[in-house]
Amino acid sequence: EPEVTQTPSHQVTQMGQEVILRCVPISNHLYFYWYRQILGQKVEFLVSFYNNEISEKSEIFDDQFSVERPDGSNFTLKIRSTKLEDSAMYFCASKVPSSGYNEQFFGPGTRLTVL
Amino acid sequence: ILNVEQSPQSLHVQEGDSTNFTCSFPSSNFYALHWYRWETAKSPEALFVMTLNGDEKKKGRISATLNTKEGYSYLYIKGSQPEDSATYLCAFKRNQGGKLIFGQGTELSVKP
Repeated sequence: EPEVTQTPSHQVTQMGQEVILRCVPISNHLYFYWYRQILGQKVEFLVSFYNNEISEKSEIFDDQFSVERPDGSNFTLKIRSTKLEDSAMYFCASKVPSSGYNEQFFGPGTRLTVL
Repeated sequence: ILNVEQSPQSLHVQEGDSTNFTCSFPSSNFYALHWYRWETAKSPEALFVMTLNGDEKKKGRISATLNTKEGYSYLYIKGSQPEDSATYLCAFKRNQGGKLIFGQGTELSVKP
């Protein structure tokens, strides 16, 4: 069964370093999302991406964050200069465009630890 | 500020018990309500997408109901099994292409 994959599963980085989190969405999906969950808090939306551009972003998604679909399969989230408060589980999700009622399929997450 | 709340936060039941949890969401600008099941170290798995007031959906021993007028959804598990142990997340959506707004989840633990 097709699934969303994410790499790495765990990333440890020093404050101020750049990180790139990678996702491979399901192949026929056209909507892509990033969410994150800080330990003990709710899963929160970061950004949605459709037709090669950002369609919506949250207040969290400031200039330090960017997303890219560099080829036909990968979808990446870059954090330019990580802060301690960026430590969280980051989830990628994808969806077919045919109906808004379709569920978003989630990857297993990347746990980012900023030291 | 859109707020989605789930209760209880955690639940410990014995194998064979039936259980239910609640998700409360804004009753205005409703588009869909999603339920996910999330086991540690795995991807959150979609259970249901609820769209119409009065909807009732079922998958095996798990079912869900929806009341959009009052802004709540119930998830029921009949005859809980240890493999049902997971965090159950609900997420509210207010338009077609939009983001999911999650509750904090209900962590279910089923003891054999």
